Amino acid sequence: KAGVTQTPRYLIKTRGQQVTLSCSPISGHRSVSWYQQTPGQGLQFLFEYFSETQRNKGNFPGRFSGRQFSNSRSEMNVSTLELGDSALYLCASSLGQGAHEQYFGPGTRLTVT
Amino acid sequence: KQEVTQIPAALSVPEGENLVLNCSFTDSAIYNLQWFRQDPGKGLTSLLLIQSSQREQTSGRLNASLDKSSGRSTLYIAASQPGDSATYLCAVKGWDTGTASKLTFGTGTRLQVTL
Repeated sequence: KAGVTQTPRYLIKTRGQQVTLSCSPISGHRSVSWYQQTPGQGLQFLFEYFSETQRNKGNFPGRFSGRQFSNSRSEMNVSTLELGDSALYLCASSLGQGAHEQYFGPGTRLTVT
Repeated sequence: KQEVTQIPAALSVPEGENLVLNCSFTDSAIYNLQWFRQDPGKGLTSLLLIQSSQREQTSGRLNASLDKSSGRSTLYIAASQPGDSATYLCAVKGWDTGTASKLTFGTGTRLQVTL
């Protein structure tokens, strides 16, 4: 069974631009969560989608948004990029109902210059 | 608000040694606790998942224990190898998020196993 895939793996953007990251969960998984990892703040929860609905949201500004499609694939978008948005963005998938194990993708490394 | 702490932040041991990594959390109302490893610049690999009703889980040379009442978990690595060098993260899923999948992560323990 294929694991969680994320595209692109690396991205360089300029301040003020916007970016879209994509995540394909493990087949059969309906929950996709997004996390931001930085050296200073560690891993922080962005949001979670289940069956195309946002189920939970972390403490991030409205510039960070996401969506989930009917095939469970998810995208996250960051508008008006700031230098501080440079990070490793990780997505995780799980079956979604109850306390199931979460599986992470390899991440997208975003650099904002 | 759940807070997760991992001690030590870094650890260096010679190959073959047994070692223990610690994780503590402030709110004992958890669904489960999951241990991950992360290699530099890579994603997270799930190692063990312990449900709140369980005391421990084992996988190969790894054993994780959970003491929910005291808010602690330990990851025991037996006969360490250089390939075990990585950052180890623990994460808890709390009751406060209902059926959502939000994990609260610790800051990690960076492990180096030397020859």
